[in-house]
Amino acid sequence: NAGVTQTPKFQVLKTGQSMTLQCAQDMNHEYMSWYRQDPGMGLRLIHYSVGAGITDQGEVPNGYNVSRSTTEDFPLRLLSAAPSQTSVYFCASSYGSSGGATDTQYFGPGTRLTVL
Amino acid sequence: DAKTTQPTSMDCAEGRAANLPCNHSTISGNEYVYWYRQIHSQGPQYIIHGLKNNETNEMASLIITEDRKSSTLILPHATLRDTAVYYCIVRHRRMDSSYKLIFGSGTRLLVRP
Repeated sequence: NAGVTQTPKFQVLKTGQSMTLQCAQDMNHEYMSWYRQDPGMGLRLIHYSVGAGITDQGEVPNGYNVSRSTTEDFPLRLLSAAPSQTSVYFCASSYGSSGGATDTQYFGPGTRLTVL
Repeated sequence: DAKTTQPTSMDCAEGRAANLPCNHSTISGNEYVYWYRQIHSQGPQYIIHGLKNNETNEMASLIITEDRKSSTLILPHATLRDTAVYYCIVRHRRMDSSYKLIFGSGTRLLVRP
């Protein structure tokens, strides 16, 4: 298993540009989520999904869109990039979201985004 | 939602036990305590979790107080590779049974040679 993969690893955008951060997992996990981490800070939840076709907002959803058309993929779209979105973005997945005690989340390696 | 409080930083000598405390005084009865760590900007890595009883795995031990208001992560023989930021997280449950992890600022552990 490749686990959770993210592309690209690095990206530089100009203000106003749009782009999609890709996230994929091959563990047949139901639950996927996106976090952002600003320098010296903890992770903040952007959006999450409990299964294909179902998404919901996290703590900091503004400026981002998500969709979940398949179990494996959970792309994050920046609609109009702003310097405040400069951050490291992590995707995570877990087996379930049904209340089990073993919903351990597995994280990808991250995408480092700079918006000029 | 229950919040956690951790010291900003700690250090310990290589080979000694590292004891990382966490306060979660507002934890509710069905919320689990999770520990993750993040090594040098990599993706966070799961360490251990528990509800009421103490837990041990190949990485660490988790001691939860009887009133569940605090816990301690123990790395029994810290190595230089354990230098990382350690996050204590209370897993929140939403009405639709979905779960999310709320990360705080964590404890930066430095293991000294």
